[in-house]
Amino acid sequence: DAGVIQSPRHEVTEMGQEVTLRCKPISGHDYLFWYRQTMMRGLELLIYFNNNVPIDDSGMPEDRFSAKMPNASFSTLKIQPSEPRDSAVYFCASSHSTTLRLAGVTGELFFGEGSRLTVL
Amino acid sequence: DAKTTQPPSMDCAEGRAANLPCNHSTISGNEYVYWYRQIHSQGPQYIIHGLKNNETNEMASLIITEDRKSSTLILPHATLRDTAVYYCIVRVYNYGQNFVFGPGTRLSVLP
Repeated sequence: DAGVIQSPRHEVTEMGQEVTLRCKPISGHDYLFWYRQTMMRGLELLIYFNNNVPIDDSGMPEDRFSAKMPNASFSTLKIQPSEPRDSAVYFCASSHSTTLRLAGVTGELFFGEGSRLTVL
Repeated sequence: DAKTTQPPSMDCAEGRAANLPCNHSTISGNEYVYWYRQIHSQGPQYIIHGLKNNETNEMASLIITEDRKSSTLILPHATLRDTAVYYCIVRVYNYGQNFVFGPGTRLSVLP
């Protein structure tokens, strides 16, 4: 069973350029999260979706950041224009909601391998 | 979600048990304790979670004190591959599905 798939794994771009990061969640998961990780700030939640609808985007740093989830199997995080301070590892994660504790379904997050962004 | 306190770093000898503590003195009755770890350059990985009873799975054991104000993650026979940052998170089960990660404990397993 494939896990969360992110692309690209590495991206190097110049300041001012548009960056698009992509994520394919685990099939059947109804929650999707975008996190950012830096040495200074650790892991920060940027935004999360439930059933393709953004629920909480309070962690999105500013208007340069936008995220979409057009369907249950795809999400994008876009930075336009990019700045050097956006350099970080961006993680996508997905989860399955539960109202009862079902065998093998515990509601934990499954993370992708991350996209390492470097903005010069 | 309740805040947690973890030591910034710990060492453990290979083959020995690694005991990672977490304080969560303001935990509420409906909040669970979750543990994740992050091996260098990888995404965080779920380890275990519990409410008040001790839990064990193939990766680790979770011991929660009776007053639930602290817990310990136990890796019974640490290997070099267990070197990672370990995060203790307290949150309401299945509420919003959000996990807030603190700085965690950097565990170094030494040969």
